[in-house]
Amino acid sequence: QAGLTQPPSVSKDLRQTATLTCTGNSNNVGNQGAAWLQQHQGHPPKLLSYRNNNRPSGISERFSASRSGNTASLTITGLQPEDEADYYCSAWDSSLSAWVFGGGTKLTVL
Amino acid sequence: EVQLVESGGGLVQPGGSLRLSCAASGFTFSSSWMSWVRQAPGKGLEWVANIKPDGSGKYYVDSVKGRFTISRDNAKNSLYLQMNSLRAEDTAVYYCARDLFESWGQGTLVTVSS
Repeated sequence: QAGLTQPPSVSKDLRQTATLTCTGNSNNVGNQGAAWLQQHQGHPPKLLSYRNNNRPSGISERFSASRSGNTASLTITGLQPEDEADYYCSAWDSSLSAWVFGGGTKLTVL
Repeated sequence: EVQLVESGGGLVQPGGSLRLSCAASGFTFSSSWMSWVRQAPGKGLEWVANIKPDGSGKYYVDSVKGRFTISRDNAKNSLYLQMNSLRAEDTAVYYCARDLFESWGQGTLVTVSS
């Protein structure tokens, strides 16, 4: 099953802004939007945002999500050392009746 | 507090079977969609299967169709994954997750090797 496309890595300086992208198609990202998850090494993933920009309680406002057409984006402002992690997007694919994930983006905070 | 605790992982030979369990607490399990998601060593996340709150609908990734079966027991607040005909490529940490991935367990490692 085809997955979503994410850049493998992004590097940004401390306190700068990073924008991560996730490209799908009209059956997944373009349909119901994407969820974004953060995963630190050795830990389970944590949900940051679902259906574009709905943040679960406890998630910092520094994380914001959006969508334009078939591409979803996660913007992280004021980068902190603890933001260094792997970030995954996911969306329900209505044609596959399956969740699809992106390959993940490794964010490095310099 | 929401808790999801997976168990049942281990080492199994190719072609063998394993049953994973996920014990849920801290939320209304019987009203929640539940998923299994796996992560091969050093790789990304892969959704495996999910199940409707009442168990009436089940969905699978193509690579496990016909081999894996997801089920639940709402009376026991438990989710299961029966894995048959296991292959080396099924080796991964298996996580259970609630609804729109809002809560995750710590995962259980399944290793398929001779």
